[in-house]
Amino acid sequence: DAGVIQSPRHEVTEMGQEVTLRCKPISGHNSLFWYRQTMMRGLELLIYFNNNVPIDDSGMPEDRFSAKMPNASFSTLKIQPSEPRDSAVYFCASSGAYNSPLHFGNGTRLTVT
Amino acid sequence: AQKVTQAQTEISVVEKEDVTLDCVYETRDTTYYLFWYKQPPSGELVFLIRRNSFDEQNEISGRYSWNFQKSTSSFNFTITASQVVDSAVYFCALQYQAGTALIFGKGTTLSVSS
Repeated sequence: DAGVIQSPRHEVTEMGQEVTLRCKPISGHNSLFWYRQTMMRGLELLIYFNNNVPIDDSGMPEDRFSAKMPNASFSTLKIQPSEPRDSAVYFCASSGAYNSPLHFGNGTRLTVT
Repeated sequence: AQKVTQAQTEISVVEKEDVTLDCVYETRDTTYYLFWYKQPPSGELVFLIRRNSFDEQNEISGRYSWNFQKSTSSFNFTITASQVVDSAVYFCALQYQAGTALIFGKGTTLSVSS
C-alpha cells in the first residue's frame, strides 16, 4: 500500500499567485480530509469529504480557498490568490471503514512570499 | 463543544526516564473515539492508537502504554524507558462520531536527550 500521496512536497510562490495542492488517498478509502498545520493554530481541519461529497467545509478560511474531489482517487486544494498568511503545512488524510483511523500523507509545505 | 487539551507544551527528559503525556478531552457524546499520533522531526503524522469510549481497558504496546479514564475525561500516554528516537511532537485527538474529522490538541513536544 503506497499510503496517502501528496504533491508537491514543497511549494514556494509569490503573493497573489494561484496554488494547487494535490492528494491521492489510499485506494478503497472513502473519506478524505484536508488539514492545515501552523505554529500558532496547530492542526486545523479545513474540509472533509465522504464518498467524494464535501461534508464539512466550515474550516475553510475564506473564499480564496476551494477544494474538490472529482473522483475517489484524487482531491485538490486550491488557494487563489495566495497570501503570506497562508504559509503552512497542508496535510491530506484518508480513512476507510467507518471507524478506522486517519492515515496522513507527508504534507505539502507552502511558503507564500 | 468538542475540545482536546494537552496542557504540557514541552517536556524534556533524559534517556531511560519514564514520561507521561497528558490529554484531557471534552465532549457531550456518549460514543466517541480517542487517538494519539506522533509527529517526528521529519514531519509526517504517524498513527499510534485508537480507543472507543466503551473500552476503558488500558493498553500496552512495547514501551508505550495508554490510560483511558472516562471519570476524568483523560487519555494519557506513557513512554517507559524513553529513547532519543521518541523525540517528537505527540498529538491527542478526538473523533466525536465515526466517519467524521479528528479534533486535535495543540500537541506536546517531547525531547529525549542521551
